[in-house]
Amino acid sequence: DVKVTQSSRYLVKRTGEKVFLECVQDMDHENMFWYRQDPGLGLRLIYFSYDVKMKEKGDIPEGYSVSREKKERFSLILESASTNQTSMYLCASSPRALPNYGYTFGSGTRLTVV
Amino acid sequence: GIQVEQSPPDLILQEGANSTLRCNFSDSVNNLQWFHQNPWGQLINLFYIPSGTKQNGRLSATTVATERYSLLYISSSQTTDSGVYFCAGGFQGAQKLVFGQGTRLTINP
Repeated sequence: DVKVTQSSRYLVKRTGEKVFLECVQDMDHENMFWYRQDPGLGLRLIYFSYDVKMKEKGDIPEGYSVSREKKERFSLILESASTNQTSMYLCASSPRALPNYGYTFGSGTRLTVV
Repeated sequence: GIQVEQSPPDLILQEGANSTLRCNFSDSVNNLQWFHQNPWGQLINLFYIPSGTKQNGRLSATTVATERYSLLYISSSQTTDSGVYFCAGGFQGAQKLVFGQGTRLTINP
């Protein structure tokens, strides 16, 4: 089975800190994604990547950046954490080729910014 | 923009009941997926189903792409089926997904 591992389950950071959220997948998937999930707003795409060193903005990229130096690892960076970035962050990966683009999600990181 | 709408938003059933969850999308899709989010927040992929019908145990899904909807059927519900069910669509060849708001299913013993 594909495994998508997020480095932390719970994280508490202070306003203004630089925060790194790490995601690693072990099945050689080309595509990787970062979403955030908030009550009443559902899942919203922050950034995604189709290949190493490649990144595309999603629907809510402001305040975030990403890094993909290796195929298996996709990092989300909060340059200067703010309280409105308190959220559940979900990483996912998927293959790029047919017949199945099915996503596999990590278990999530619940980030609290105080 | 592109919309994915799910209904009903909430569903409460007794164990053993059957249920149908619906997903409507505003444009043609070539990537339609159903997920279950358990009470601990883990999202599990149930089906990748851009068209046609698939079955996996007590769960089945049907997508009618020409009419822009998908249905998820759960038969003989169990308490472990509780959680939030999301559908998500990808459009025009893009592999990124737009998620619906989810259906919260509660199965009471």
